[in-house]
Amino acid sequence: AQRVTQPEKLLSVFKGAPVELKCNYSYSGSPELFWYVQYSRQRLQLLLRHISRESIKGFTADLNKGETSFHLKKPFAQEEDSAMYYCALSAWGATNKLIFGTGTLLAVQP
Amino acid sequence: ETGVTQSPTHLIKTRGQQVTLRCSSQSGHNTVSWYQQALGQGPQFIFQYYREEENGRGNFPPRFSGLQFPNYSSELNVNALELDDSALYLCASSLDAGTSTDTQYFGPGTRLTVL
Repeated sequence: AQRVTQPEKLLSVFKGAPVELKCNYSYSGSPELFWYVQYSRQRLQLLLRHISRESIKGFTADLNKGETSFHLKKPFAQEEDSAMYYCALSAWGATNKLIFGTGTLLAVQP
Repeated sequence: ETGVTQSPTHLIKTRGQQVTLRCSSQSGHNTVSWYQQALGQGPQFIFQYYREEENGRGNFPPRFSGLQFPNYSSELNVNALELDDSALYLCASSLDAGTSTDTQYFGPGTRLTVL
């Protein structure tokens, strides 16, 4: 079964501290992994995807197929990073439907 | 470029009623996906429409149905509403259904409350 697990509902850190939002997935084929973010009173938007191997707003994520993980990291958290973060998987096939985790609320304290 | 829009913003219905939610896709996008997001959960895939045809369905009963129009806008219809249908309904559009890496652009959602 295809599944995305985000074990933490809430992650609270202080400004300037490192951040790691955990994501594990279950998928038998080759997955496409994404991180979506939802800031307060804004719509869900793509933050980054693993195939791009890019850094967006200082965030990076590496796909580890051995551990079936796609953790999101940032070395120094900023207050504006406070948001809801969703890890999502796209299964290759006829549709590009997204399978989401339950989300982690990141709260960056001043 | 116009983003994804959804209407209405909020809706209150009673159990057993029927509801229609609407979505306008982003300019140039031919694919629309619908998701249900219950409180405290991540979005769950309901179905996708590609060039006016259903192109994949999640684990939702047949009383959840949809349409896509020639201009690629879409409707989500839910019959015989149940209390558990209370949720935020998200619409997302993308350029091409066949590309799993294609970015999905989300609308602001419609909050449905079933009493």
